[in-house]
Amino acid sequence: KAGVTQTPRYLIKTRGQQVTLSCSPISGHRSVSWYQQTPGQGLQFLFEYFSETQRNKGNFPGRFSGRQFSNSRSEMNVSTLELGDSALYLCASSLGWGENTEAFFGQGTRLTVV
Amino acid sequence: DAKTTQPPSMDCAEGRAANLPCNHSTISGNEYVYWYRQIHSQGPQYIIHGLKNNETNEMASLIITEDRKSSTLILPHATLRDTAVYYCIVRVARNRDDKIIFGKGTRLHILP
Repeated sequence: KAGVTQTPRYLIKTRGQQVTLSCSPISGHRSVSWYQQTPGQGLQFLFEYFSETQRNKGNFPGRFSGRQFSNSRSEMNVSTLELGDSALYLCASSLGWGENTEAFFGQGTRLTVV
Repeated sequence: DAKTTQPPSMDCAEGRAANLPCNHSTISGNEYVYWYRQIHSQGPQYIIHGLKNNETNEMASLIITEDRKSSTLILPHATLRDTAVYYCIVRVARNRDDKIIFGKGTRLHILP
């Protein structure tokens, strides 16, 4: 079956703009998590959605937001982009609440802010 | 903060077994040990996980000490394609506070 799909793969934005990234989870998966990866900070958890509700949130400013649709697809939005937001943004999907669920990651969206 | 400690880098000769250690001395009774790896510029890939018994799948084996304070990921016959950053993570069986906290990982170099 198809894996986790993230679009676009690459993006260049200007400081001050906003950006929306998309994630389509594996069919049947209801949980979607987002991560930011930078060389300096490594992989950092942004937030997780399950059944269209945000269940968990990392330590990021309010400029970072997300949502999940009824088909489990998720989007994350970053407003008022800063140079430091340049990163690889990764989405992971999993079945959802229950024991022993592993997360499957997409290839990521590489965002460059200039 | 990550609850695991891993060596920053390791080398392994191609064809040999790669043994990657991980310390998780504060692990709780309901926390699983998960391993992921990330090949350059790709998303992390799930490898294996376990609670207290040793586990094996087609990719690797996971050895967890009896006190569960440390574990070892074993890649039985390392190939050049196994060059990646390997992350050891402890994670509660999914609940309200579940999130994957990644540490710095171990950069594994497979030498030809």
